[in-house]
Amino acid sequence: EDQVTQSPEALRLQEGESSSLNCSYTVSGLRGLFWYRQDPGKGPEFLFTLYSAGEEKEKERLKATLTKKESFLHITAPKPEDSATYLCAVIDQAGTALIFGKGTTLSVSS
Amino acid sequence: SQTIHQWPATLVQPVGSPLSLECTVEGTSNPNLYWYRQAAGRGLQLLFYSVGIGQISSEVPQNLSASRPQDRQFILSSKKLLLSDSGFYLCAWTPWGIGNEQFFGPGTRLTVL
Repeated sequence: EDQVTQSPEALRLQEGESSSLNCSYTVSGLRGLFWYRQDPGKGPEFLFTLYSAGEEKEKERLKATLTKKESFLHITAPKPEDSATYLCAVIDQAGTALIFGKGTTLSVSS
Repeated sequence: SQTIHQWPATLVQPVGSPLSLECTVEGTSNPNLYWYRQAAGRGLQLLFYSVGIGQISSEVPQNLSASRPQDRQFILSSKKLLLSDSGFYLCAWTPWGIGNEQFFGPGTRLTVL
């Protein structure tokens, strides 16, 4: 069964303290891995799509990387406005749905 | 640019009452449309998807149904709500077919009492 596990569940950082979020997955034939940001009470906001091991994508203070078994979302010098829940999702070759992890809730304090 | 709308934003309904949630997408044609539910402490779960008018696929058996009466309109319904139907309902769309990133609407918070 396809699964996505995100860790840690919650992460507290000081402003400027860089860190990484992990997304490990088991899927038959990865077609794509997706990162989303979700603020409380709102729909997820698309961040990145990664398709193959070794691929990297960057957006402002965020950088996503992909290996054959996991993905990392690196946050460099975070700011309080980066506080949100970050969701990882995968889709396999035969699938229709995005299979989501439970997310990592990031809190950045000034 | 494309925009996705959902309404209502919040809804409180008694057990046994009917439900109708609406999702519309602007600025595109023939999108794939999806309904997800996000329950507390759980990841998003796909409920239904549609690749065209009148074409609905269900991912999980449940008390809900979906319809797509127009190209850019997707409706989630129930005849009789259960307590377990409470949650955050999200509509999503993708312009590029199955297997690519999906874009989510603002969601509907449903509380069944």
